[in-house]
Parts: sequence; structure tokens; C-alpha cells
Amino acid sequence: GEQVEQLPSILRVQEGSSASINCSYEDSASNYFPWYKQEPGENPKLIIDIRSNMERKQIQELIVLLDKKAKRFSLHITDTQPGDSAMYFCAASPPTGYQNFYFGKGTSLTVIP
Amino acid sequence: AQTIHQWPVAEIKAVGSPLSLGCTIKGKSSPNLYWYWQATGGTLQQLFYSITVGQVESVVQLNLSASRPKDDQFILSTEKLLLSHSGFYLCAWTRNSGNTLYFGEGSRLIVV
Repeated sequence: GEQVEQLPSILRVQEGSSASINCSYEDSASNYFPWYKQEPGENPKLIIDIRSNMERKQIQELIVLLDKKAKRFSLHITDTQPGDSAMYFCAASPPTGYQNFYFGKGTSLTVIP
Repeated sequence: AQTIHQWPVAEIKAVGSPLSLGCTIKGKSSPNLYWYWQATGGTLQQLFYSITVGQVESVVQLNLSASRPKDDQFILSTEKLLLSHSGFYLCAWTRNSGNTLYFGEGSRLIVV
């Protein structure tokens, strides 16, 4: 099945700076790439996603970039705040009869006030 | 609006004891349903999926089984728990024609 690599595993940034998380995938058929934020003790929550017909998507301070040729996608959080501290997971989903989601191993982001 | 409810919220169980975790989704007919497992500090591992009542496919078994007795209900169970079953179990759903995955609140399991 699909393999998703996510880096870095740990990320510490100063409040107000940008944070970037990078993911790569193997299956060129993957066409949907969601990002989830998980706070301690809670369930993962979808924060932004991008489909293969797009290269860039922005929702407020969140920017997702997709490079299909390189099979890479990334999440950029601009003007980070302490509330952005959490685990972040990327995922890739190939088109199938159901939807299979392959998750990266996660990035622990800490925003230092 | 769709709501997804998992039960129990948390359990502490002994090795060798049975387990049943449940998930109900309201407000959406014929969803695709999924069970995920997350070890502490770990990633999200898909265990089972179901696209229709009575039909469940295994992705990774981990000595667990799943059933879908009703359109809106998904059950995860085992007759004998192992220490390795400890973790966070998440039920999730997608529309059967879409691929946005939404997670339930999760059930935390500690096996002692």
C-alpha cells in the first residue's frame, strides 16, 4: 500500500514565526491529501486538505502546497500562536472503492511564547 | 449535521478479558465506516472498514474483529485482550461518494 513519510517529527518555533511540515508519498494515484491536528487526549481534527487538481490552498494562516511530480505536499502555518501547539498528521488517499487513508507518523509542534 | 458517538470513553481491562467498543453515526445514511488504532504518541493505523451493513473488511487485524450490525453502527471487539491492545481507538466516517474523513471522539483503552 501507500507509504507516507512525514518530517520533522518534532518542531519547535517561536511565536509569530512560521512552521513547515513536509510529507512525501509513493503512489502517484493518490489524489487527496488531508492534514489533521490532534491535541493531547483528543481526536484528530481535519484542518485543511488539498486535492490533486490543486497546487496550493490557503485557509487563514494555513497553507498547503502540493507538488504532484515530486510526490510531496507540505503544511505551512504562518504567524504561529501557542494554540497551534499540537500533533499534526498528514495523510494520502488513493482513489479506491472505499477511501483508504495512509497517515504519516506525525509532527509534534511546540510554539514557544 | 452528522454526529458520531463512541462508547465507552475509556476503559481499563485485564489481559485475557473481552472487549467491545461501539460507534454510532447519526445524520448520514450509508456512510463508509472505519476503525483506527493509535498507540500512545503514535500514528493512526487503519484496522477495519465497512461500506455497507454486514460487510467488514480487515486491513490490520491485531487479534480484533469488527461488525456492522446496522447502517449507523460499527462495533470493534475481541474475546481476549492483549497488553498490546492498549491505545486510542477511533471510529471514523466518510460519505460513500466523498473522501473527507471525520473522526469520533475516541475510546481510550488500557490493558493491565
